[in-house]
Amino acid sequence: DVKVTQSSRYLVKRTGEKVFLECVQDMDHENMFWYRQDPGLGLRLIYFSYDVKMKEKGDIPEGYSVSREKKERFSLILESASTNQTSMYLCASNRQGAPQPQHFGDGTRLSIL
Amino acid sequence: LAKTTQPISMDSYEGQEVNITCSHNNIATNDYITWYQQFPSQGPRFIIQGYKTKVTNEVASLFIPADRKSSTLSLPRVSLSDTAVYYCLVGDLSNDYKLSFGAGTTVTVRA
Repeated sequence: DVKVTQSSRYLVKRTGEKVFLECVQDMDHENMFWYRQDPGLGLRLIYFSYDVKMKEKGDIPEGYSVSREKKERFSLILESASTNQTSMYLCASNRQGAPQPQHFGDGTRLSIL
Repeated sequence: LAKTTQPISMDSYEGQEVNITCSHNNIATNDYITWYQQFPSQGPRFIIQGYKTKVTNEVASLFIPADRKSSTLSLPRVSLSDTAVYYCLVGDLSNDYKLSFGAGTTVTVRA
């Protein structure tokens, strides 16, 4: 079974802090994704990566950056956290080629005070 | 990306069959239809995927008519634990990374 593990289930940080969210997958998937989920807005794609050191912007990349130094690990970075980044963050991965559904972690609920 | 429309909510009772229809009028030739289930405080979980006709697995069935402009997820004999949000996604999973999760359908199963 595919396992996508996010480092924290709950996280509380302060405005202006640099925040790191980590995600690890154990199925050798090429693609990895970061989403945020907010009530009434569904899931919105922040960034995705299709290979080590490769990344592409999703729909809402502003205020975020990502890092993929190893195939199994994809990090989301909030450069200077703001209260409007309080949200549920979800990591996903899948294999390249059709059709390959994305497999999600359980999410990190991040609160910025 | 094909836009999808599905009901905001549905209520059901234990033991009943639940059918959720998703409209996707602009589906493209290479697009697949994928359904996810999400419980509170968890990430979405893949349920089923199809291209045409009918697909069945141990959890659900997916019915896709010939024109592929809609699809219906069928959950047989639901239980309280099937209460969740169900998302319909349409896209070419090999090339289209920007899958769009809409608001989904909140299914509430009552005893």
